Amino acid sequence: EPEVTQTPSHQVTQMGQEVILRCVPISNHLYFYWYRQILGQKVEFLVSFYNNEISEKSEIFDDQFSVERPDGSNFTLKIRSTKLEDSAMYFCASSERRGPNQPQHFGDGTRLSIL
Amino acid sequence: AQTVTQSQPEMSVQEAETVTLSCTYDTSESDYYLFWYKQPPSRQMILVIRQEAYKQQNATENRFSVNFQKAAKSFSLKISDSQLGDAAMYFCAYTDSGGYQKVTFGIGTKLQVIP
Repeated sequence: EPEVTQTPSHQVTQMGQEVILRCVPISNHLYFYWYRQILGQKVEFLVSFYNNEISEKSEIFDDQFSVERPDGSNFTLKIRSTKLEDSAMYFCASSERRGPNQPQHFGDGTRLSIL
Repeated sequence: AQTVTQSQPEMSVQEAETVTLSCTYDTSESDYYLFWYKQPPSRQMILVIRQEAYKQQNATENRFSVNFQKAAKSFSLKISDSQLGDAAMYFCAYTDSGGYQKVTFGIGTKLQVIP
């Protein structure tokens, strides 16, 4: 069964540095999402993306964050100047179509550690 | 804003027994979807079961079933004949029928299966 893949599985970065988290959604999916989970807390929605633009974003997704689909397969999340509180597990998800009856398929996540 | 509450941080069940995980939610919407996701130690979140709010019949998926009480805004997951592979974090989740399918998660319940 096709899967969403995320790389790297663990990223360690110095505070203030830029980091790019990469995701390869399922190939025929059109809607893409990023979530994050701070240790011991809920999984939180960050952003949804469709047709090369942001569809919806949460209050967490401030100017330090950006998303891009640089080619036909990758979907990236960039954090411009990382802070300690950005340490979390970041999950990418994709769905084939819009709508709550279209399940989101999640990747394994990238654990981001900010030092 | 929608919220999802899981009041059981950890649960345990003997293999082959039945366990029920609790979830309550709050929304002003009348049309929405509820989900249970499983996140095993391998980390990928997998959709276990889905319930549409306008359907009165409780969803079932093999050994997994839900008790959906719309008036009480309660959505519990019952796992019958528990297996060792059921050990995981279980997240209750919600999404509106509109929008771009932003999913709101509960904090999760860690299920331990005792051989």
